[in-house]
Amino acid sequence: AQKITQTQPGMFVQEKEAVTLDCTYDTSDQSYGLFWYKQPSSGEMIFLIYQGSYDEQNATEGRYSLNFQKARKSANLVISASQLGDSAMYFCAMREHGSSNTGKLIFGQGTTLQVKP
Amino acid sequence: DAGVTQSPTHLIKTRGQHVTLRCSPISGHKSVSWYQQVLGQGPQFIFQYYEKEERGRGNFPDRFSARQFPNYSSELNVNALLLGDSALYLCASIRQGFNTGELFFGEGSRLTVL
Repeated sequence: AQKITQTQPGMFVQEKEAVTLDCTYDTSDQSYGLFWYKQPSSGEMIFLIYQGSYDEQNATEGRYSLNFQKARKSANLVISASQLGDSAMYFCAMREHGSSNTGKLIFGQGTTLQVKP
Repeated sequence: DAGVTQSPTHLIKTRGQHVTLRCSPISGHKSVSWYQQVLGQGPQFIFQYYEKEERGRGNFPDRFSARQFPNYSSELNVNALLLGDSALYLCASIRQGFNTGELFFGEGSRLTVL
């Protein structure tokens, strides 16, 4: 069965420093997609970054980068130059079968990130 | 352009009652998914609808049902509410036709069952 594991319930980081949020996944599919979402206290899930299983390069979006290690089945999120507004819950998620039309994502338990001034 | 909109934002019901939650996807998005997020956990997939047809269903009892309308908006219905149905219900629309197919979420409907 497909599964996402986030082992860090909570993380602290000093403002302007980088932080890595861990995510490991389990799937028997060869084609899949990996996502990171940010959820502030308002509740809305905000898309951050996407990595396809066949993408050879790690995805980057501004201050966000995804450290994709396929053999280890890990997809860690790296946030550079942390800002106070980065304080939120972060979720790693996987889409089955790689179809971009599939609306089913499997989410991890999430990591709460707090940025200290 | 407006994002995914959900209503109501907050509601309180008692056990045994019925609830209807509503979602309007981003303009041009034809697919809607519903998720349940219990406090302290990640969202769990409930349904996906595309072109008014159910395209996927998660491991939820038959008390949960949904439908999609010709304008692609959607309703999630939950009958015979239980205390355990208290959660944030998230709706998402999908930007199909693009490689990533990321889901765009609304702010959710927070349901409390007493």
